[in-house]
Amino acid sequence: QVQLKESGPGLVQPSETLSLTCTVSGFSLTSYSVSWVRQPSGKGPEWMGRMWYDGDTAYNSALKSRLSISRDTSKNQVFLKMNSLQTDDTGTYYCTIHTNWGQGVMVTVSS
Amino acid sequence: DIQMTQSPSLLSASVGDRVTINCKASQNINKYLNWYQQKLGEAPKLLIYNTNNLQTGIPSRFSGSGSGTDYTLTISSLQPEDFGTYFCFQHNSWPLTFGSGTKLEIK
Repeated sequence: QVQLKESGPGLVQPSETLSLTCTVSGFSLTSYSVSWVRQPSGKGPEWMGRMWYDGDTAYNSALKSRLSISRDTSKNQVFLKMNSLQTDDTGTYYCTIHTNWGQGVMVTVSS
Repeated sequence: DIQMTQSPSLLSASVGDRVTINCKASQNINKYLNWYQQKLGEAPKLLIYNTNNLQTGIPSRFSGSGSGTDYTLTISSLQPEDFGTYFCFQHNSWPLTFGSGTKLEIK
């Protein structure tokens, strides 16, 4: 069955870089596009960017200068890297194909 | 960016009630509108895709309608398990955007 699972550090220092991994199963990354979505506690979700099935990427312009999404199809993984983190980057980060979502990973930006 | 304005932001209703949640886009989104339900501590769950298509496994009491800039999610007969926060989501234009959410409480 289709599954996505996020992994990465729960705590990141301000100004540091966040690195997250989305490991998928039950489908191929060359057939489905995977998006990253984040959600501050108590607020609505924000779409961050997408790894298209063909390897192309799309980013939210508000984050584009800090964000990079890549993949390793042999490992069924999609990666998110975002630099210059600040406290308002705190929240739960999800990977999703929109019909299915990972469980999310909580990221706190704090010193 | 397309702004998605949901209303109401808070809704309290009784079991058996018919409930509607509205979502207004700042420009035409050509029916590329999904509805999600989210419960505390859980990921969003897709209910309706592309305005009026019921996702597999979702009860038929959920339905969607709309066109252009105005969209509606309807729950025909509210059940206790329907509490949570509902979000609309447009995937017509970049960047993709979510509504601010409607918190549905069961009286």
